[in-house]
Amino acid sequence: DAGVTQSPTHLIKTRGQQVTLRCSPKSGHDTVSWYQQALGQGPQFIFQYYEEEERQRGNFPDRFSGHQFPNYSSELNVNALLLGDSALYLCASSLGSDGYTFGSGTRLTVV
Amino acid sequence: GENVEQHPSTLSVQEGDSAVIKCTYSDSASNYFPWYKQELGKRPQLIIDIRSNVGEKKDQRIAVTLNKTAKHFSLHITETQPEDSAVYFCAATLRPNDYKLSFGAGTTVTVRA
Repeated sequence: DAGVTQSPTHLIKTRGQQVTLRCSPKSGHDTVSWYQQALGQGPQFIFQYYEEEERQRGNFPDRFSGHQFPNYSSELNVNALLLGDSALYLCASSLGSDGYTFGSGTRLTVV
Repeated sequence: GENVEQHPSTLSVQEGDSAVIKCTYSDSASNYFPWYKQELGKRPQLIIDIRSNVGEKKDQRIAVTLNKTAKHFSLHITETQPEDSAVYFCAATLRPNDYKLSFGAGTTVTVRA
């Protein structure tokens, strides 16, 4: 039974560019949440998708957007990248109010 | 929104000793408190969680206690082993109303052999 799969594992982008990160949830999970983890910090909630809609959003600008597909997989898009967007982006899937299962993350470096 | 503070930021213990990490939360309505372990370069993994209707929960060498009145909860690791070395994060949320987890800043635990 595969866990949460994220791609790519590492990514280097230039300031101003756009990036798309992908997440496949654990089998049986229908909810996907995205978190940003800066170095040495705890994960910060970006947003959560359920039934293909954004259900809740954290304190992130509109440059951060997402999508959930009918198969429950999800994408995180970040436009107009800033140096401060460099972080580990974690996807977590869940079913209902059960605990999260995190993916291994995508390490984004903005230069 | 919920604010979670975690202490200490680093903790070094001798193998076999106990380790205790403490977290406080701001929203008295929060009712679900998970703990995650993150080894270097790996994903956070849920190690134990507790709900507000329970004061303590144990799983082998790991235990979590919750004091709702004081709004704090703690992770206790007994008989520490080198493989317990990792970063530990506490988190809090209000289920089912709030879908996000609010995380503490993490505690780096080093177990000395």
